[in-house]
Amino acid sequence: KAGVTQTPRYLIKTRGQQVTLSCSPISGHRSVSWYQQTPGQGLQFLFEYFSETQRNKGNFPGRFSGRQFSNSRSEMNVSTLELGDSALYLCASSQKTGQRVFGNGTRLTVT
Amino acid sequence: AQSVTQPDIHITVSEGASLELRCNYSYGATPYLFWYVQSPGQGLQLLLKYFSGDTLVQGIKGFEAEFKRSQSSFNLRKPSVHWSDAAEYFCAVGAIITQGGSEKLVFGKGTKLTVNP
Repeated sequence: KAGVTQTPRYLIKTRGQQVTLSCSPISGHRSVSWYQQTPGQGLQFLFEYFSETQRNKGNFPGRFSGRQFSNSRSEMNVSTLELGDSALYLCASSQKTGQRVFGNGTRLTVT
Repeated sequence: AQSVTQPDIHITVSEGASLELRCNYSYGATPYLFWYVQSPGQGLQLLLKYFSGDTLVQGIKGFEAEFKRSQSSFNLRKPSVHWSDAAEYFCAVGAIITQGGSEKLVFGKGTKLTVNP
């Protein structure tokens, strides 16, 4: 059974640019959530999607957005990148409560 | 709001020694509790979880954790550590946000484990 796939694994962007990260959940998992991991703030919840609808959102600025497609694949977008957005972005999918499986993440570096 | 505290940022143990990683949580209701492990450059792997019932839960790789409601703790233990256990360990509390079942995980800052040969 394939795991959660995040692409790309690594990204380097310049301040002011925008970036889109992709997450393919485990087959049959309809919930996808995103987390940001930084050395200073640790792991922080960004948002969660279920059946193409955002049903929960963390405390991040509007520059962070996401969406989910009918096949449950999800993308997150960060516009007007700042140096502080450099982080490991983790996606997790689940079929039911408490069963979240994480991908290996996308490492974003903003220069 | 829920929160998780992992008091130890870094722990070093010798291979074969026992291990206990501490985790304290704050949550108004009965929490879902998790321990995850992260190796460098990797995502999070679930070691074990507690939802209800038996307060001593067994996980993968020989780990176990005990839920103590009176102490708001969920400490992770392993009787004999292997060099391959060197990684970062995260405790998390899961809260059901909506009736639809949306859950949000709140993580501790993590404990980095070094294993000496």
